[in-house]
Amino acid sequence: QTVVTQEPSFSVSPGGTVTLTCGLSSGSVSTSYYPSWYQQTPGQTPRTLIYSTNIRSSGVPDRFSGSIVGNKAALTITGAQADDESDYYCVLYMGGGISVFGGGTKLTVL
Amino acid sequence: QLQQSGPRLVKPSQTLSLTCAISGDSVSSNSAAWDWIRQSPSRGLEWLGRTYYRSRWYNDYAVSVKSRMTITPDTSKNQFSLHLNSVTPEDTAIYYCARETLGDAQYFDYWGQGTLVTVSS
Repeated sequence: QTVVTQEPSFSVSPGGTVTLTCGLSSGSVSTSYYPSWYQQTPGQTPRTLIYSTNIRSSGVPDRFSGSIVGNKAALTITGAQADDESDYYCVLYMGGGISVFGGGTKLTVL
Repeated sequence: QLQQSGPRLVKPSQTLSLTCAISGDSVSSNSAAWDWIRQSPSRGLEWLGRTYYRSRWYNDYAVSVKSRMTITPDTSKNQFSLHLNSVTPEDTAIYYCARETLGDAQYFDYWGQGTLVTVSS
C-alpha cells in the first residue's frame, strides 16, 4: 500500500522561508496526483490552502505557494508569520476514486 | 455549508452512523463528490470514502474500511450518511464530512464541523 510521506516537524524563523514536501513511499509525485495542501490549527477544521499542485484557494495569502520539487509536491511559505504555526497536510489523488492523506507536518515558527 | 449530526458514543461491535446535511449545493451535483474523512492521534487524517452522482450513484472506499463502510445519499433531504459497522475502540476519532470538487481539480473545498465519536462500552 502506497504511503504519502511528509516531514513530521519543521521549524522556521519569523520572516523566513520554509518548504514542506509531500512524497510517495514508492514513485514520484506529479501533477497527475492533483496535490492539495491543508492547514489545521488545534481544535479547528482543516483549511484548504493549495489545490491542483499550485492553485491557491480563495482568501489564501500569496506567501503560500505550491509546486513540484524533484519527485515531491512542495508547499512553500515565504515570509512566515507567527499564525502560520499549524499542522500542514497534503493529499494525493491515487486514481480509482482514492485519496490519501500524508501524515502531516507540524510547523513551528520561532 | 455542511452540517454534521449523529451520536457521539457508540458501543463496540455496533454501527457508527453520521449524517451530513448540505446547503448551497446538491448531493446530486455533477461536479462534486461527498466524502467522509476521520482524524485520530494514532492515524492522523484518513480519507474513508465518497459518494457521487454521474447518471447513477457511485461509491469509493478506502481499503482499510471497505468491508465495513457504506455511504448513502439522500436526495430528498439533500444529505449523505456514513455507516461504519462492527466498530472497535480504534474507530474512535473526529469524523468530518467534506465536499470534494472534481474535474480539472480534485480537492476538498468545504468541510463539516467535525464530530468526535467515541467507541466505548
